[in-house]
Amino acid sequence: EVQLVESGGGLVQPGGSLRLSCAASGFSFSNYYMHWARQAPGKGLEWVSHINTVGSATTYADSVRGRFIISRDNAADTLYLEMSSLRAEDTAVYYCVREPTGTGMYFFDYWGQGTLITVSS
Amino acid sequence: EIVLTQSPGTLSLSPGESATLSCRASQSARIGDLAWYQQRPGQAPRLLIYGTSRRATGIPDRFSGTVSGTDFTLTISRLEPEDFAVYYCHQYGDSKYTFGQGTKLEIK
Repeated sequence: EVQLVESGGGLVQPGGSLRLSCAASGFSFSNYYMHWARQAPGKGLEWVSHINTVGSATTYADSVRGRFIISRDNAADTLYLEMSSLRAEDTAVYYCVREPTGTGMYFFDYWGQGTLITVSS
Repeated sequence: EIVLTQSPGTLSLSPGESATLSCRASQSARIGDLAWYQQRPGQAPRLLIYGTSRRATGIPDRFSGTVSGTDFTLTISRLEPEDFAVYYCHQYGDSKYTFGQGTKLEIK
């Protein structure tokens, strides 16, 4: 069974930093692109960042570029999101998401349950 | 940058009826690049449709996706109580992944 389990969420002050982790199991982690997406309270979904299978290519939403860094450890089947210079508008549930590779299509087939980040003083 | 506009914002229907949800892309999109997700309250999104019209594993055939030009449609026939949720469309383009703002399907 595919499982994506996020951790590392919590309350952080504006300007602070936080590191999210996503432990993957039930599939060959190194064969999949991985993403972070987020959802502010009561709002819609927003894509945050993507990383390729080996970690050599990353992309970011304009709203987080320069402040967030996505990375992965394929030996540990873990995805990370290093978040810095956090702002109130970064308050959201952050989801770890899997994207199948090699299909020629772009979609997210599995989502974690999410971890809540609250940026507030 | 691709912008996905979903309509209506809220759709009120009764169980047994059919729902038609729309997602319009701001630019011409390659067929096969739109996905639909369902999100029930308090849950993570779940993949319903990918490649515009392909149902994900375990999704009943009451759910179908179609496209006409840049207008994508998710149709849900014979609504079940568990279908009342928020639905998002999703597309990749210009090195970015974009979601529509969502359509809430509520019980009338």
